[in-house]
Amino acid sequence: AQTVTQSQPEMSVQEAETVTLSCTYDTSENNYYLFWYKQPPSRQMILVIRQEAYKQQNATENRFSVNFQKAAKSFSLKISDSQLGDTAMYFCGLSSGSARQLTFGSGTQLTVLP
Amino acid sequence: DTAVSQTPKYLVTQMGNDKSIKCEQNLGHDTMYWYKQDSKKFLKIMFSYNNKELIINETVPNRFSPKSPDKAHLNLHINSLELGDSAVYFCASSQGLGPYNEQFFGPGTRLTVL
Repeated sequence: AQTVTQSQPEMSVQEAETVTLSCTYDTSENNYYLFWYKQPPSRQMILVIRQEAYKQQNATENRFSVNFQKAAKSFSLKISDSQLGDTAMYFCGLSSGSARQLTFGSGTQLTVLP
Repeated sequence: DTAVSQTPKYLVTQMGNDKSIKCEQNLGHDTMYWYKQDSKKFLKIMFSYNNKELIINETVPNRFSPKSPDKAHLNLHINSLELGDSAVYFCASSQGLGPYNEQFFGPGTRLTVL
């Protein structure tokens, strides 16, 4: 079984500041992928960033980057220069070969304050 | 141009009724999914299909029956609706079953059972 835990139900950050969202996971697989999805008030789920477990280098997409600590099974998302449009629910997800499914954490509601 | 579309976006119905939600993807993907997002925003897989074959069938009441007439469509039929079925239902698709595949989500269908 694979599990994903997001321990921060809500967070807020001032516009232009940096914020880090936490995620821990558990899996017995060696081949797995980690994802951060964003769900703005429009409800549409959008992929933010993806990390391959066998790659040591942390993934980066513009203002979004991850801190992937494989031994600690931690996968945090850092948002730099926060913008009002970043206000959304953020879901951490784990997908492994044998599970054949994407398991999500409970989500973190991020509010960017003007 | 919508990649994954769902109809209807909102569905209000009485307990005991039967209803269907339709999903179509124009991405040429082989794999499609149904997720349920409850009132606490927790997102959980219900079903997945690959090339019209059922792959994942989580512990979902058998009142829920997915149907995939072709690779581009995965519909969800719900019999004898109950109050607890009220939720947002998301359809998604991906290129294949591999764990690295990004899932593309539809806009969701908010089902309200009265």
